[in-house]
Amino acid sequence: AQSVSQHNHHVILSEAASLELGCNYSYGGTVNLFWYVQYPGQHLQLLLKYFSGDPLVKGIKGFEAEFIKSKFSFNLRKPSVQWSDTAEYFCAVTVDSNYQLIWGAGTKLIIKP
Amino acid sequence: DTEVTQTPKHLVMGMTNKKSLKCEQHMGHRAMYWYKQKAKKPPELMFVYSYEKLSINESVPSRFSPECPNSSLLNLHLHALQPEDSALYLCASSHGVPPYEQYFGPGTRLTVT
Repeated sequence: AQSVSQHNHHVILSEAASLELGCNYSYGGTVNLFWYVQYPGQHLQLLLKYFSGDPLVKGIKGFEAEFIKSKFSFNLRKPSVQWSDTAEYFCAVTVDSNYQLIWGAGTKLIIKP
Repeated sequence: DTEVTQTPKHLVMGMTNKKSLKCEQHMGHRAMYWYKQKAKKPPELMFVYSYEKLSINESVPSRFSPECPNSSLLNLHLHALQPEDSALYLCASSHGVPPYEQYFGPGTRLTVT
């Protein structure tokens, strides 16, 4: 069965530190990749997505992610985090032409001011 | 406009009550979804409507009954719920064709007493 794994369940960083959150999926076919963010008390927002083309994608709020097909990975990065980036981050995948988002367990990111 | 709206924001109901959750989108999307989210967990898919027809029912108990009156509206009728059904109920929508990029509403926080 397809699955998505996020390596870190909790990450604590200081402001201005660089961020990388890992995401790996297990599926050998066509995938569409997503990162969603859920700020405290707010709804899930699409941070960025990859369908095809340039494997380095840029999203909102200075986030980017790189799709590395050979590693089945889609890691999220940000060069310098801010306190307002404190949130839960979910990696998700759809495979082939399926509706269903396959979710990672999420990473809770806490930024210390 | 990438907004999905949901009402009510909060709902407290007894185990014998009947209530309904409502979801609306005006993005011209033809797929709509109901999810259940427990604290600190990723969303769990419950139902998918595609072009106003029920496409996926993820073995959800019959006390949850979805309805799609038209392409912009999605309802979830609730009856005889259990305390373990307390959760955040999320609605999402996407285009009716792959890759099904989903946009989420703010959710209804349901408490069953």
